[in-house]
Amino acid sequence: SQQGEEDPQALSIQEGENATMNCSYKTSINNLQWYRQNSGRGLVHLILIRSNEREKHSGRLRVTLDTSKKSSSLLITASRAADTASYFCATSTGTASKLTFGTGTRLQVTL
Amino acid sequence: DAGVIQSPRHEVTEMGQEVTLRCKPISGHDYLFWYRQTMMRGLELLIYFNNNVPIDDSGMPEDRFSAKMPNASFSTLKIQPSEPRDSAVYFCASSLMGRVGQETQYFGPGTRLLVL
Repeated sequence: SQQGEEDPQALSIQEGENATMNCSYKTSINNLQWYRQNSGRGLVHLILIRSNEREKHSGRLRVTLDTSKKSSSLLITASRAADTASYFCATSTGTASKLTFGTGTRLQVTL
Repeated sequence: DAGVIQSPRHEVTEMGQEVTLRCKPISGHDYLFWYRQTMMRGLELLIYFNNNVPIDDSGMPEDRFSAKMPNASFSTLKIQPSEPRDSAVYFCASSLMGRVGQETQYFGPGTRLLVL
C-alpha cells in the first residue's frame, strides 16, 4: 500500500519558475526522502530529512517537514528544463529498513 | 563505482515462460531491494535482503515469484510461469541502510518486462 500521496499528480511550469510538490503520509516516520525519476530511468536520491528536522536545503532544493500534519514539501527554485521528471517521496518507519514510496508528481518544465 | 547493474534491460517473453532478472548491487552495500513499477500500482517493494538473507518478502505477489541472493554481489528475481499481468519495470536497489546518513537507496536502471 502507498504510504505517501503526492500532490499535485502533475505540474507544468516555465523555466525559471519555482515548483512546489507536497507529500502526505499516514504513520509516524524515522525520515522522509525525495527521489527523482527521469523517463525510462531508475530513481535518484535527492535529499533526506529526519523526523526531528523541519527544513533542509540542498542547492536549489528546499524540503520542509511537518510531523504534526504528516506532510512534507519539496521546493525546486529557478527550475530548468532538465528538472523535468517524476518526483517521489519515500518514508522510513519503525525499525524496518525499507522505504515506502508515494505515488509521485510529474513535473514538466518548459522553455 | 559502476552503480547498481541490472540485466537484461529489456525482456519480451510469452506467457508461461520462465523469466530471470539479475542484479549486481554496489560493492560494500549490505541491503538489496527488488521493486516493481507499473502505472496502476506505482512503485511496490517486492522483497529485500540484508547481508544476503531475505528479511521481508511480504510484497512478493504470489508463489510464481522467487528471489535469491547467493552472495553479496549478485541477486536474482525469477518469475515462473510468467503472466501478462507481470509486465512492468523491475528495479533493484542497494543501500548501506541502518547507518546514520547512509539510509539512501541507489537504484539500477531497471528491467522492462513485457509478457505477451
